[in-house]
Amino acid sequence: GESVGLHLPTLSVQEGDNSIINCAYSNSASDYFIWYKQESGKGPQFIIDIRSNMDKRQGQRVTVLLNKTVKHLSLQIAATQPGDSAVYFCAENRGSGYALNFGKGTSLLVTP
Amino acid sequence: SQTIHQWPATLVQPVGSPLSLECTVEGTSNPNLYWYRQAAGRGLQLLFYSVGIGQISSEVPQNLSASRPQDRQFILSSKKLLLSDSGFYLCAWSVTGADTEAFFGQGTRLTVV
Repeated sequence: GESVGLHLPTLSVQEGDNSIINCAYSNSASDYFIWYKQESGKGPQFIIDIRSNMDKRQGQRVTVLLNKTVKHLSLQIAATQPGDSAVYFCAENRGSGYALNFGKGTSLLVTP
Repeated sequence: SQTIHQWPATLVQPVGSPLSLECTVEGTSNPNLYWYRQAAGRGLQLLFYSVGIGQISSEVPQNLSASRPQDRQFILSSKKLLLSDSGFYLCAWSVTGADTEAFFGQGTRLTVV
């Protein structure tokens, strides 16, 4: 069935390096995508979102890229810090009236 | 500003006992409300969502039910808990009628023993 999935379950990076977390989606009707960060024992927190009429969106130290041709979404974190260690989820929304559909998550570990 | 409250934070219940988890939202009207469950090391599975009072949509067949007795109150219930109901339960809300992010509560860790 249609789903949102992640390429890598875990990612280890050194402090100061850039991180890239990837996500693939299969529902061509999806028009809104979100990245969430979840720290252990807490609820997910919104990081950044992007709509299907955009290819790129930048926030503070984060950039989301959307490639609709291959149905691929990525989150880039610049100068990764220890506080960035968490599980990152991508989520898609098929439109108003639908709930978000979440991927399985990627665990990001930042080493000193 | 909007806030979401979910309680309790942790709960240990015996098999066969009832369950009631409550979630309330402040600072907004007519929100969409959601219950998600997260198994250890896994993603979020949508259980229920509601677009208005008394309107509940169930995504998966299960031992749980949800109710929305008031505009900003969402309750997750079970008459008899199973071991497989253990998990991390998350309530969330979003603005109705628009594609926006969902805002999550801090979750309830339920352990059925």
